[in-house]
Amino acid sequence: EPEVTQTPSHQVTQMGQEVILRCVPISNHLYFYWYRQILGQKVEFLVSFYNNEISEKSEIFDDQFSVERPDGSNFTLKIRSTKLEDSAMYFCASSVRARYDYGYTFGSGTRLTVV
Amino acid sequence: AQKVTQAQTEISVVEKEDVTLDCVYETRDTTYYLFWYKQPPSGELVFLIRRNSFDEQNEISGRYSWNFQKSTSSFNFTITASQVVDSAVYFCALSEEYGNKLVFGAGTILRVKS
Repeated sequence: EPEVTQTPSHQVTQMGQEVILRCVPISNHLYFYWYRQILGQKVEFLVSFYNNEISEKSEIFDDQFSVERPDGSNFTLKIRSTKLEDSAMYFCASSVRARYDYGYTFGSGTRLTVV
Repeated sequence: AQKVTQAQTEISVVEKEDVTLDCVYETRDTTYYLFWYKQPPSGELVFLIRRNSFDEQNEISGRYSWNFQKSTSSFNFTITASQVVDSAVYFCALSEEYGNKLVFGAGTILRVKS
């Protein structure tokens, strides 16, 4: 069964450093997403991306965040200057189309720890 | 605005008991999709079911069953004869027809003791 692949599985970074979280969505999917889950809390939407641009973003997704699809396969989330409160599990997801007739596949997540 | 409420923060049961996890949702759309995900201690999100708003049939999959009631805006999840491996956090989620994001509930921690 096709998978969404995320790397690394765990990243530790110093406060103020830039991090890039990487995702390889399912190849025929067109919509890509990032979600965040702070430890012990619910999963929160960050941003969706379609046709090489952001289609929707949440209030959490401020200027320190950016997304990019640098080539035909990768989808990245960059956090420019990490803060302690950015420590969380970050999930990438992809779907065939926005109306979810065909489901919505999540990656296994990247656990980001900011120290 | 869409919202999902899982009022049960944590449930503890003994193995072989049946358990129902509640989910109540709010949406203005007439077409929407409801999901349940399981998050085991390893942290990944495991898809369990998707239901669209036009299909109110209840569904059974092995020990799992789902009761969708539009009249009460609820999409409850029952595990029959629970097992220790069912211990996890369970999330209910909603997406609207013309949105392209999932809105998650706060999750219910299920602990099944042997």
